[in-house]
Amino acid sequence: AQSVTQPDIHITVSEGASLELRCNYSYGATPYLFWYVQSPGQGLQLLLKYFSGDTLVQGIKGFEAEFKRSQSSFNLRKPSVHWSDAAEYFCAVGNAGKSTFGDGTTLTVKP
Amino acid sequence: DVKVTQSSRYLVKRTGEKVFLECVQDMDHENMFWYRQDPGLGLRLIYFSYDVKMKEKGDIPEGYSVSREKKERFSLILESASTNQTSMYLCASSFRGQGHASNQPQHFGDGTRLSIL
Repeated sequence: AQSVTQPDIHITVSEGASLELRCNYSYGATPYLFWYVQSPGQGLQLLLKYFSGDTLVQGIKGFEAEFKRSQSSFNLRKPSVHWSDAAEYFCAVGNAGKSTFGDGTTLTVKP
Repeated sequence: DVKVTQSSRYLVKRTGEKVFLECVQDMDHENMFWYRQDPGLGLRLIYFSYDVKMKEKGDIPEGYSVSREKKERFSLILESASTNQTSMYLCASSFRGQGHASNQPQHFGDGTRLSIL
């Protein structure tokens, strides 16, 4: 069965610093991968997705993610974090129309 | 833009009550989902519907049922609410797609925070 691991429960970065959120997946075939963001009191919003092709994918709000098959990873990055990026981030893998989500990483941004 | 609307943001009910959570989407999506979200446990799928009147159990269906009589509406029912069902409930929808395109991103509502006293 597929699974998703987000090793970091909580990350704190300073505003303007770079960010990398880790995601490892377990899936037998070519994975369909997603990153979502959840701001307090709201539902999840899609940041980006990977289906095939270029392993570096661009998303909204200046985020990007890199798919590395050899490492079973799909890490999310942003070169310069803004205070409004403080939120919870979820990585997910799609299978048969459904998705399996990681437990999430909470991002705190220091002024 | 896809809009997924959950009928209540906050709901307080009593143990033993029958509780209905409603979700409506406006983008003609075939797939609809109900999740519960608890701290440290991420999102857990309760039920999934891939068409009108069609449903599939998720990872934690016990104590819940669902109804999908119209394509745009997906209801979650707590038959006899218990305190361990206090949680945040999220509804989502997605386009079904075919073959390799079947794994489409999901669009989420803002959630219903349900408290069972």
